[in-house]
Amino acid sequence: RKEVEQDPGPFNVPEGATVAFNCTYSNSASQSFFWYRQDCRKEPKLLMSVYSSGNEDGRFTAQLNRASQYISLLIRDSKLSDSATYLCVVMNSGGYQKVTFGTGTKLQVIP
Amino acid sequence: DGGITQSPKYLFRKEGQNVTLSCEQNLNHDAMYWYRQDPGQGLRLIYYSQIVNDFQKGDIAEGYSVSREKKESFPLTVTSAQKNPTAFYLCASNKGWATEAFFGQGTRLTVV
Repeated sequence: RKEVEQDPGPFNVPEGATVAFNCTYSNSASQSFFWYRQDCRKEPKLLMSVYSSGNEDGRFTAQLNRASQYISLLIRDSKLSDSATYLCVVMNSGGYQKVTFGTGTKLQVIP
Repeated sequence: DGGITQSPKYLFRKEGQNVTLSCEQNLNHDAMYWYRQDPGQGLRLIYYSQIVNDFQKGDIAEGYSVSREKKESFPLTVTSAQKNPTAFYLCASNKGWATEAFFGQGTRLTVV
């Protein structure tokens, strides 16, 4: 089983739609979680951190479910500019911190 | 301005040659990472380093080598032993435990 798994998509949604992505992780000791956005041929950039209590930033909501070992990202009122690949990131615990990325979920928002 | 810088942005090399990719950060970050990304694929961890003079293999370390002689610098050497070196290489750093990672703009390596 991969350490971090995501549905690669693509998710093709119309403008204004709500879309949700999940990301599962295998290491129950994982401590920190993030969502990154990557545009084509660019470096990933931090979208938001994922806290145990969940967090919201405008149209974006991130949640963590430790019992089922997954994190989620909800995008409301999708814009054309949201089209990108969304990567989930998991940081493990232990002596050496390891940052593991999911393979990404591609979102295409259609006019 | 603080940031993480990779150079060069594009690199072409002949098959069988070793090549070194530069990664420098002035963010005073302790940890640094190297990832490889192939077209349509996710990021795969090559090497990572938590402190100076110490580094750990990631998931795909074969054919690569690194050094961490200074906190600011974490160069990656792609050796001739790497069978498919053509890829997009990304360097990242973070302050330490549980903090977000920041990326350089990447180096696109093409081996011909």
